[in-house]
Amino acid sequence: DTEVTQTPKHLVMGMTNKKSLKCEQHMGHRAMYWYKQKAKKPPELMFVYSYEKLSINESVPSRFSPECPNSSLLNLHLHALQPEDSALYLCASSQVGWGGNEKLFFGSGTQLSVL
Amino acid sequence: AQTVTQSQPEMSVQEAETVTLSCTYDTSESDYYLFWYKQPPSRQMILVIRQEAYKQQNATENRFSVNFQKAAKSFSLKISDSQLGDAAMYFCAAAGTASKLTFGTGTRLQVTL
Repeated sequence: DTEVTQTPKHLVMGMTNKKSLKCEQHMGHRAMYWYKQKAKKPPELMFVYSYEKLSINESVPSRFSPECPNSSLLNLHLHALQPEDSALYLCASSQVGWGGNEKLFFGSGTQLSVL
Repeated sequence: AQTVTQSQPEMSVQEAETVTLSCTYDTSESDYYLFWYKQPPSRQMILVIRQEAYKQQNATENRFSVNFQKAAKSFSLKISDSQLGDAAMYFCAAAGTASKLTFGTGTRLQVTL
């Protein structure tokens, strides 16, 4: 199994809603990532978890709250988002850490629209 | 830290022909890695090829190969025998041993019949 599975594929939410994005992998990878990608732009790193501990937070606003309940699962909790947060949210995993020698495996993303 | 530049926003190639996508980079690190990722309409980012900077030999993966010119800080991707399924956005990326991946702005590749 070389898949990273993200749910839901599409999400529409209001600015007062609370929602969560889910990411799952069963490759035994110990590092998991959240990226944000605006249309026609490259992905931007948001968070990295390594061995279930938050290793990198790229100064992301607190309305985005990551959670790594176990080594296979990564969540992104959303609360009080703004319309400019509308984007494709990509999850990725890698075998061990987050250094450059790691190959990233990506999911197909959640397309988020904030109204 | 790294910077990655892709100067070709769009490229087009005929099926079965060869196309080369350009990428230049800059880095302050002595040990680093270079990547090409592909993002088709399915939106999933897929690793196409990886090059370790300490290796002089250019990486190849089936129809995909790179031309790595370390002194010129150039890392181009050659796609041979192009297929319709190669149509996608291609991102060049770089990372140091202990630093995050930095992506270029991407090149959209169209494959025509």
